[in-house]
Amino acid sequence: AQKITQTQPGMFVQEKEAVTLDCTYDTSDQSYGLFWYKQPSSGEMIFLIYQGSYDEQNATEGRYSLNFQKARKSANLVISASQLGDSAMYFCAMRELNTGRRALTFGSGTRLQVQP
Amino acid sequence: DTGVSQDPRHKITKRGQNVTFRCDPISEHNRLYWYRQTLGQGPEFLTYFQNEAQLEKSRLLSDRFSAERPKGSFSTLEIQRTEQGDSAMYLCASSLGSEPGDTQYFGPGTRLTVL
Repeated sequence: AQKITQTQPGMFVQEKEAVTLDCTYDTSDQSYGLFWYKQPSSGEMIFLIYQGSYDEQNATEGRYSLNFQKARKSANLVISASQLGDSAMYFCAMRELNTGRRALTFGSGTRLQVQP
Repeated sequence: DTGVSQDPRHKITKRGQNVTFRCDPISEHNRLYWYRQTLGQGPEFLTYFQNEAQLEKSRLLSDRFSAERPKGSFSTLEIQRTEQGDSAMYLCASSLGSEPGDTQYFGPGTRLTVL
């Protein structure tokens, strides 16, 4: 069974600094996808970035990058140049791609607070 | 390009009442998903449709829950005989199938409070 672990319930970062949010995963499938979502207080889950297990390069999307270490089964999100609007809950999620199942499995999230 | 929309955004009901939520996916997205999120947790998968066919259901989807997508466009999620434990955010998502990983895009959610 697949599992996502986010060990940081809360993180603080100063505006304009970089921050890393941790995510480890467990799966027996060789082909899987890893996702990060942002959830502001309004409640909507906003897709940020995707990494496939066979992608050779770490994914990047603007200020977001994914530090993917397959052997360690970790997929940490790096946010560069933090902004006040980055304050939100961040969720790591995974889907096994060989099973035919479409369900995403989410971690418990990390609350990021950006301080001025 | 409008995103996923959900209606209502908030619902307060008394225990034992039935409630129905609606989700309109992103136009042309043929896959639609329902998740439930309780306070302090990540979303948990409930069910998945491809077009009008319900192809996957979680064990969380008890017999009091039913979801439909009759014409392969919008979907409804009905909860019968609501219980206080049903209080949660109900999130809908949709995907096209052609993006890497088949990325799911979420709506704003419906927050249900059962008194």
